[in-house]
Amino acid sequence: NAGVMQNPRHLVRRRGQEARLRCSPMKGHSHVYWYRQLPEEGLKFMVYLQKENIIDESGMPKERFSAEFPKEGPSILRIQQVVRGDSAAYFCASSPLGVETQYFGPGTRLLVL
Amino acid sequence: SQQGEEDPQALSIQEGENATMNCSYKTSINNLQWYRQNSGRGLVHLILIRSNEREKHSGRLRVTLDTSKKSSSLLITASRAADTASYFCATAGTSYGKLTFGQGTILTVHP
Repeated sequence: NAGVMQNPRHLVRRRGQEARLRCSPMKGHSHVYWYRQLPEEGLKFMVYLQKENIIDESGMPKERFSAEFPKEGPSILRIQQVVRGDSAAYFCASSPLGVETQYFGPGTRLLVL
Repeated sequence: SQQGEEDPQALSIQEGENATMNCSYKTSINNLQWYRQNSGRGLVHLILIRSNEREKHSGRLRVTLDTSKKSSSLLITASRAADTASYFCATAGTSYGKLTFGQGTILTVHP
């Protein structure tokens, strides 16, 4: 059973470009979570999704950030018009229904030039 | 504001010694979890303790939870060089799914 997969592992964007981060949850997991980790800091919750539904987006910046988890395919975290402050590691986690433990992917490291 | 605060920020010990890390939090929780993160990698779940539990063991790990003091501790016994990593506590509150992480403790175990 493959773990949570994220791609790309590293992404470089120039200011003003768009960044798309993908997350494939573990097989059988219907819940996906996105977190952001700034250098030398802990992870900060961004959004919690189930298939085709956003359950909790209380940690998402109000502008430029969006997330989806379609019926088919991976979850996508989209950042429009990136700025240098968006440079961070973005982690996706997944869990099955009713399980509190979250299983994390290896992360995508976004660098905005 | 960050829910969890970990103490110490960094810990350096010799192989074979025990390592103790502490975590404090501010609001009511359903459970508290500890994760490990090796440099540049994702997080690995270590152990979960529920709000009605006081102590839990898993291999060389021992976790305690004191809800009256809103604090938890992680003890790693007989540490190994491979235990070198950052350790984070994360609390789960009433909002299912959202974990609130502390700043982490950087543990270095010297061979």
